[in-house]
Amino acid sequence: QKEVEQDPGPLSVPEGAIVSLNCTYSNSAFQYFMWYRQYSRKGPELLMYTYSSGNKEDGRFTAQVDKSSKYISLFIRDSQPSDSATYLCAMSAGGNNRLAFGKGNQVVVIP
Amino acid sequence: GAVVSQHPSRVICKSGTSVKIECRSLDFQATTMFWYRQFPKQSLMLMATSNEGSKATYEQGVEKDKFLINHASLTLSTLTVTSAHPEDSSFYICSARGRPVSNSPLHFGNGTRLTVT
Repeated sequence: QKEVEQDPGPLSVPEGAIVSLNCTYSNSAFQYFMWYRQYSRKGPELLMYTYSSGNKEDGRFTAQVDKSSKYISLFIRDSQPSDSATYLCAMSAGGNNRLAFGKGNQVVVIP
Repeated sequence: GAVVSQHPSRVICKSGTSVKIECRSLDFQATTMFWYRQFPKQSLMLMATSNEGSKATYEQGVEKDKFLINHASLTLSTLTVTSAHPEDSSFYICSARGRPVSNSPLHFGNGTRLTVT
């Protein structure tokens, strides 16, 4: 079993729809959870950063972490064509521990 | 927010030559920097971890003599691909973590697309 599982998609949605992305993981030591957005030929951009279980909202983006189920989610409300990108989940146990990444989920928002 | 600058964004070189890629943290001190390689439609593959003032730690399968990493200051790390070959063509991305290390997220540069002809 991979440390982090993420469905690579692609996921196509019409403009204005809610985008729902998720990752599962196996390492119970993970405490810090991140979502990155990566446009083609660019480096990943940090979108959301959460610690332990709970929800975090930032504008149209909501991140959820359920440590008991080892499951994290990212929701994008009122999706825009500019949200079309690859979304990577990442997590770590903290300290100087390396990040474990999901494979990335390609999202296409159709105008 | 934290900014990591990576240069150059694209480089084309001939087989057998060396290429240096720079990674700078612009508004924070980066105690730790990471170098990744990314293949098309794949996730990030960690190559090495560099800590300021000490030798880099390379991941299994990464040749340290081929991919030279230097982290001479708290704001600059460099990756030198020595004697490059076409199979080294890839997208290289650096990232930096500030202080405190325990709860700082990684911030990434915009990557360098290396093409070896």
